[in-house]
Amino acid sequence: DTEVTQTPKHLVMGMTNKKSLKCEQHMGHRAMYWYKQKAKKPPELMFVYSYEKLSINESVPSRFSPECPNSSLLNLHLHALQPEDSALYLCASSQANPGRGRETQYFGPGTRLLVL
Amino acid sequence: SQQGEEDPQALSIQEGENATMNCSYKTSINNLQWYRQNSGRGLVHLILIRSNEREKHSGRLRVTLDTSKKSSSLLITASRAADTASYFCATVPYYGGATNKLIFGTGTLLAVQP
Repeated sequence: DTEVTQTPKHLVMGMTNKKSLKCEQHMGHRAMYWYKQKAKKPPELMFVYSYEKLSINESVPSRFSPECPNSSLLNLHLHALQPEDSALYLCASSQANPGRGRETQYFGPGTRLLVL
Repeated sequence: SQQGEEDPQALSIQEGENATMNCSYKTSINNLQWYRQNSGRGLVHLILIRSNEREKHSGRLRVTLDTSKKSSSLLITASRAADTASYFCATVPYYGGATNKLIFGTGTLLAVQP
């Protein structure tokens, strides 16, 4: 199974709402990633988890709160977002141990978020 | 910004023709990868070339890497309508640690006309 799943596929939320994005993989990968992608732009890294611990935060505003409850799941909690946060949010996973196996990232289909 | 640049930004060709995309990057790298994205959905890994390699092939894909010029190219031969997608190069900086930080280029939108 080389699939990364993300739910929901689409999300519309107001600026005062709280919502969560979910990501799941069953490839035994111990590194998981959140990316943000605006229209016609490349993905930009937000967070990296390695062995369920946050290892990289690319100076993301605190209204985005990641969580890795176990080795298969990755959540992104959203609160008080702004319209400019509307984007495609992509989750990815890879092996975590140093070496060639960790170099390829497997991406989910993304959650398209619209903040009104 | 460490982001790489790709050219052309958009490319339109006929089925059966070859497509070439170029990527330039800014930092020393461990490896460079190419990903494909269909219609704003998830990315799919295509091919990886390491910093000590100059050329690599995979099916209809050929990738070259010139570390002295900090550039790479992706050639898709005998293109098909199904190759229509956005193509991104992604570099892994020469970087220690237990994670794999990808820095994506600006992307090339390829349209293959049937």
